[in-house]
Amino acid sequence: AQSVSQHNHHVILSEAASLELGCNYSYGGTVNLFWYVQYPGQHLQLLLKYFSGDPLVKGIKGFEAEFIKSKFSFNLRKPSVQWSDTAEYFCAVSPSYSGAGSYQLTFGKGTKLSVIP
Amino acid sequence: EAGVAQSPRYKIIEKRQSVAFWCNPISGHATLYWYQQILGQGPKLLIQFQNNGVVDDSQLPKDRFSAERLKGVDSTLKIQPAKLEDSAVYLCASSLMAEVQYFGAGTRLSVL
Repeated sequence: AQSVSQHNHHVILSEAASLELGCNYSYGGTVNLFWYVQYPGQHLQLLLKYFSGDPLVKGIKGFEAEFIKSKFSFNLRKPSVQWSDTAEYFCAVSPSYSGAGSYQLTFGKGTKLSVIP
Repeated sequence: EAGVAQSPRYKIIEKRQSVAFWCNPISGHATLYWYQQILGQGPKLLIQFQNNGVVDDSQLPKDRFSAERLKGVDSTLKIQPAKLEDSAVYLCASSLMAEVQYFGAGTRLSVL
């Protein structure tokens, strides 16, 4: 069974600080990896994704993530956060291939990021 | 492009009552998912449809939950009877195939 672990429940940063949110997954096969973001009062939105190729992926709003296969990790980074980055961030994994056609996302519990102006 | 539409946004019911949620996916998306998100947790898949067929309902509590997607477009999720532990946000998502899932705003259910 798939599982996703996010290391931090709540992170508080000042504007311009650097951000790194940890994500580790457990799955016995090849996976697709995602970071979703939920801004206050809004729906889940895709921040970035990794399917294959370059393990360093860039997403919207200056976010990037690095897939390290040997560590089963997909950590999210941003060099300088802004107040508008205040949101909840979810790491998720799905199988990259499923004979049964099931591509369910397995989510971590989420990390709340609060950015202080 | 219109996103995933869900209604209602909020619903308050008493335990043992029934409730239904509606979802209209992004046009052309063959795959539709229902997730349950309990406070403090990430979303958990309840059921996945491919067109109007069920692909995965292994985590759907079938004694009280049911879902259908009769014409391969919109879908309804029903709970009957509701329990206190069903209080959650119910999210609908859609995708073209095994690709990025796009989420709706969700329905927040409170069972009293």
